[in-house]
Amino acid sequence: DADVTQTPRNRITKTGKRIMLECSQTKGHDRMYWYRQDPGLGLQLIYYSFDVKDINKGEISDGYSVSRQAQAKFSLSLESAIPNQTALYFCATQQGDYNEQFFGPGTRLTVL
Amino acid sequence: KQEVTQIPAALSVPEGENLVLNCSFTDSAIYNLQWFRQDPGKGLTSLLLIQSSQREQTSGRLNASLDKSSGRSTLYIAASQPGDSATYLCAVDQNAGNNRKLIWGLGTSLAVNP
Repeated sequence: DADVTQTPRNRITKTGKRIMLECSQTKGHDRMYWYRQDPGLGLQLIYYSFDVKDINKGEISDGYSVSRQAQAKFSLSLESAIPNQTALYFCATQQGDYNEQFFGPGTRLTVL
Repeated sequence: KQEVTQIPAALSVPEGENLVLNCSFTDSAIYNLQWFRQDPGKGLTSLLLIQSSQREQTSGRLNASLDKSSGRSTLYIAASQPGDSATYLCAVDQNAGNNRKLIWGLGTSLAVNP
């Protein structure tokens, strides 16, 4: 089984809908991240969490919110989806500082 | 502001060739640099991580080097195979106090032809 899983893998929704993307990990890592990837822009950090009680905004947090329900679970919500949030979303984990980040398979989100 | 550039953007080589992918960064105050591979539909896979105090790391046919003073890293792939076809991304872990994050390049798309 994969160490970092994301659900759903693909989602098509309409403008204004509320969407939740979920991430689970079995690696036991304390840090979790949400990124989005757009063609020509590279990966951008949305939110990150260093432990269950710690939530931090990344460089593009507007329009998004997160919840760290447990050490193993980190959810990303789009309260009211808009078309320019169409992108590939990745969750990643990391144990402590200075170490590798491990990525989930991604969720392809399309907002019509 | 840290900027990460990867050249070339795309590369096509015949099977068996040795090749070098380049990553450059503008601010040498980094904790580490990480190379990833991205396959369509499979997310990102970590290949090598080089700490700021290290000069190189090796894993199988892959060798990554880091020269902080010149702001450069290279990923050397020996005896390339069609299975190496993917997009290769580098990311630097920025030394910016509490505002830690990875700064990403746009990647090099590699095609290894049989």
